[in-house]
Amino acid sequence: EPEVTQTPSHQVTQMGQEVILRCVPISNHLYFYWYRQILGQKVEFLVSFYNNEISEKSEIFDDQFSVERPDGSNFTLKIRSTKLEDSAMYFCASSEWADTQYFGPGTRLTVL
Amino acid sequence: KQEVTQIPAALSVPEGENLVLNCSFTDSAIYNLQWFRQDPGKGLTSLLLIQSSQREQTSGRLNASLDKSSGRSTLYIAASQPGDSATYLCAVVGGAGNMLTFGGGTRLMVKP
Repeated sequence: EPEVTQTPSHQVTQMGQEVILRCVPISNHLYFYWYRQILGQKVEFLVSFYNNEISEKSEIFDDQFSVERPDGSNFTLKIRSTKLEDSAMYFCASSEWADTQYFGPGTRLTVL
Repeated sequence: KQEVTQIPAALSVPEGENLVLNCSFTDSAIYNLQWFRQDPGKGLTSLLLIQSSQREQTSGRLNASLDKSSGRSTLYIAASQPGDSATYLCAVVGGAGNMLTFGGGTRLMVKP
């Protein structure tokens, strides 16, 4: 069964460094998403991406964040200058249309 | 702004019991509602999606209902098993970018 994959599973970085989180959505899906979950808190929406552009973003998704689909399979989330409060589990998701969203296993980001 | 609430926050039941998890949302203008399962430290597994025009969906021992006008959904789990132990999340879809707004989850423990 097709699934969303994410790499790395765990990323440790120093405050102020740039990180890139990678995702491979399900191959025939057209919509891509990033969410995050800070430990003990709700899952929060960051951004959705369709037809090679951002379709919606939350207040969290400020200028420090960017997304890219560099080729036909990868979908990346870049954080330019990480802060302590960026420490969280980051989930990528994809959907074929505006329907069921399938989530990857997540990348745990730890900012020291 | 959409708010999603799940009650109870935690639930412990003996194996074999039928149980109901509750989800409420403040803005009834949703496209659909999705129930997920999350195991500790893991990603989100989609269980059921209910379109806004539907009243319920069933998958195996799971049945989810939706009353859009009152802003409520329930997830019914029949004949619970220890393997059902996990956190159950509900999320509603609204907005142009299909963003999911999540509840805080119900942490379920099924005791053998």
